[in-house]
Amino acid sequence: EAGVVQSPRYKIIEKKQPVAFWCNPISGHNTLYWYRQNLGQGPELLIRYENEEAVDDSQLPKDRFSAERLKGVDSTLKIQPAELGDSAVYLCASSGTGRTEAFFGQGTRLTVV
Amino acid sequence: DAKTTQPPSMDCAEGRAANLPCNHSTISGNEYVYWYRQIHSQGPQYIIHGLKNNETNEMASLIITEDRKSSTLILPHATLRDTAVYYCIVPFNQFYFGTGTSLTVIP
Repeated sequence: EAGVVQSPRYKIIEKKQPVAFWCNPISGHNTLYWYRQNLGQGPELLIRYENEEAVDDSQLPKDRFSAERLKGVDSTLKIQPAELGDSAVYLCASSGTGRTEAFFGQGTRLTVV
Repeated sequence: DAKTTQPPSMDCAEGRAANLPCNHSTISGNEYVYWYRQIHSQGPQYIIHGLKNNETNEMASLIITEDRKSSTLILPHATLRDTAVYYCIVPFNQFYFGTGTSLTVIP
């Protein structure tokens, strides 16, 4: 069974440019999460989807961040415009219905210069 | 929301058991304890979770105290590949990872 797939693995952009990250969750997993992990810190939730619905986006900086999960499968996280402080690893995870564990992708390491 | 307290770092000799503690004194009755680990430059990896009873799988054992205010993750025979940051999370849907415990397995 394939795990959570994220792309790209690495991204370097100049500040004020847009950037997008893509996530393909494990087949059949209804719940999808996007996290941000700063250097030396634990992952922090940005947004959680149940199928197509964003059920928790309280930590998503909505002035520059947006996310979508069309058809309740793949998801895209976008930053526009990027700032230097957005440099971090962006992680996607998915889980099945109920109190089940979540599985993480390898993450996208973003560097804003 | 329940949060956890873990020691920032621990060392363990290769081949010995690694016992990683976690305090979660504000845990609610229906909240599970989850353990994840993160090896450098990789995404977090699920290890084990439990509610009340002790749990064991191929990776580790989880011991939860009777009052559920603390737990211990046990890696029975630590190897160098177990060097990682270990996160205790309660409850998972609150998504609070904290800074975890950096475990170093020493040859």
